[in-house]
Amino acid sequence: EPEVTQTPSHQVTQMGQEVILRCVPISNHLYFYWYRQILGQKVEFLVSFYNNEISEKSEIFDDQFSVERPDGSNFTLKIRSTKLEDSAMYFCASMGGGRSGELFFGEGSRLTVL
Amino acid sequence: DQQVKQNSPSLSVQEGRISILNCDYTNSMFDYFLWYKKYPAEGPTFLISISSIKDKNEDGRFTVFLNKSAKHLSLHIVPSQPGDSAVYFCAASWGSARQLTFGSGTQLTVLP
Repeated sequence: EPEVTQTPSHQVTQMGQEVILRCVPISNHLYFYWYRQILGQKVEFLVSFYNNEISEKSEIFDDQFSVERPDGSNFTLKIRSTKLEDSAMYFCASMGGGRSGELFFGEGSRLTVL
Repeated sequence: DQQVKQNSPSLSVQEGRISILNCDYTNSMFDYFLWYKKYPAEGPTFLISISSIKDKNEDGRFTVFLNKSAKHLSLHIVPSQPGDSAVYFCAASWGSARQLTFGSGTQLTVLP
């Protein structure tokens, strides 16, 4: 069964460092998303990406964040200068071109900022 | 801004009985509703969905009911099994980007 894969599964970084989280969405999907979940809180939308550009972003997705689809398979989330409050699980998701509404999520990347 | 609310943080049910998880929403623009199941340290797993043009969708042991006038949906699991123990998130979407707005989740525990 096709799945969304994310790397790394866990990253520890120092405050102020740049972090890149990687995702390989399901191969024939066209819509891509990043979400995050701070420990004990709800899953929050960060950004959606379609046709090589951001289609929607939340207030959380400020200038410190960027996304990129550098080739036909990877979808990355970059945090330029990490803050303590960026510590969270980051989930990548993708959706097919039929826009069924069903997003398929990866296992997540746990980011710990010290 | 809680557009999707799950007011019960936890629910315990005996194996074999029905589990009913509830969700309320405030944004009338939502036109698609989903339930996800999540285990610790894993991503949400899609369970079942319903379009706003329907009031019921069934898939095996799982049934989702939508009451648009009350802006309320519920997930029924019958019969409940211990393997169903997880956090269940209600989510809703609208618009071209179809991003999901999640509720805060309900921890379901099915007791053997």
